[in-house]
Amino acid sequence: EAGVAQSPRYKIIEKRQSVAFWCNPISGHATLYWYQQILGQGPKLLIQFQNNGVVDDSQLPKDRFSAERLKGVDSTLKIQPAKLEDSAVYLCASSLALAGGPGIMGEQFFGPGTRLTVL
Amino acid sequence: RKEVEQDPGPFNVPEGATVAFNCTYSNSASQSFFWYRQDCRKEPKLLMSVYSSGNEDGRFTAQLNRASQYISLLIRDSKLSDSATYLCVVKKSMYSGGGADGLTFGKGTHLIIQP
Repeated sequence: EAGVAQSPRYKIIEKRQSVAFWCNPISGHATLYWYQQILGQGPKLLIQFQNNGVVDDSQLPKDRFSAERLKGVDSTLKIQPAKLEDSAVYLCASSLALAGGPGIMGEQFFGPGTRLTVL
Repeated sequence: RKEVEQDPGPFNVPEGATVAFNCTYSNSASQSFFWYRQDCRKEPKLLMSVYSSGNEDGRFTAQLNRASQYISLLIRDSKLSDSATYLCVVKKSMYSGGGADGLTFGKGTHLIIQP
């Protein structure tokens, strides 16, 4: 079974530029997450989608970050404009969880991440 | 206070030894608990879930103490391939399905198994 796909794998930009990351979850997975992992830290949740709706974006810096999952499958995360402190690995994860489903522990499967360097 | 706290290490341990990691969590509403493993420059992968009754998977044993808000991981007969960062993870919900169920990670504990 194919895993979570992300692109690009690496990106280097200057501060104040814009950047976008793409994620394709595991087929059939209704829930999609974006996490930010700064060097030396654990991943931090930015946003969670259930199909094409946002479930939790409480930790998303909405002045510069945006994300969408228009057709409930692929998702893009955008940063505009980027700051030095946005340098991190951006991880996409997906889980099988379905709204209103029975008790499912809902393991989250992570993609390889996009490593962003802001100069 | 951070929501999940771990000793970052590194823990340098000889091959074959037993090593234990601990973490504490601050949100008493947390319902689900996990250990994830992350190899250098790779994505995190689920190692095991953690239950109050304690659970074992081969050489790995996990334990949860809800009263103390404390989670542990024990690795017996450590192998060179166990070298990695071990992330303590909590989730507010027991189940997935419609609600917010993002994971909260600790910083991770770096383990180095030495030959």
